[in-house]
Amino acid sequence: GAVVSQHPSRVICKSGTSVKIECRSLDFQATTMFWYRQFPKQSLMLMATSNEGSKATYEQGVEKDKFLINHASLTLSTLTVTSAHPEDSSFYICSARGIAGGKINEQFFGPGTRLTVL
Amino acid sequence: GESVGLHLPTLSVQEGDNSIINCAYSNSASDYFIWYKQESGKGPQFIIDIRSNMDKRQGQRVTVLLNKTVKHLSLQIAATQPGDSAVYFCAENGAGGTSYGKLTFGQGTILTVHP
Repeated sequence: GAVVSQHPSRVICKSGTSVKIECRSLDFQATTMFWYRQFPKQSLMLMATSNEGSKATYEQGVEKDKFLINHASLTLSTLTVTSAHPEDSSFYICSARGIAGGKINEQFFGPGTRLTVL
Repeated sequence: GESVGLHLPTLSVQEGDNSIINCAYSNSASDYFIWYKQESGKGPQFIIDIRSNMDKRQGQRVTVLLNKTVKHLSLQIAATQPGDSAVYFCAENGAGGTSYGKLTFGQGTILTVHP
């Protein structure tokens, strides 16, 4: 099946610093990538959708200047949490969608990145 | 906005029993529904999906039922095993408007299988 990786798997940073999370589709070209955030014991909430070569579209309530998304190639999207604060501590999960396995709508999920802001 | 919800937040079963996890959805225009399994500290793992033009789909030990009349989705797991213990999410794929191609996740059900 299609494989999506994320790096790093976990990161601890100080308040006020910026953190970059990478999402890669390893064996297919991802025309669209999605970024989700998941707080403990809660569901996944979509933050933004990025299409290769164009600006990301953000869901209501998500600050685009705080969560910078870049989708520069068909296999890589990055999420940068700028000036991170403890309330940004969460599990960040990406997914990728492309023409993989014949299912046009299917999203393939990465393993997630645990961000802890001290 | 549209939402997908679950009736039961937790479910405990004995090993070997059948499990049924339910989900209610509100967007009648959604065209595709998926069940995911998420283990602690990991990303969602695809279990089974069903398109809106189907009522039932079976996989290995799992069956998904879709009742569009009452906007209800269920996941049945046969002969539940301890390794099935996880959080299960349903998700619906938006078919139009601003939700097109986006997944909306339900709140999740914690399944605990006792040996």
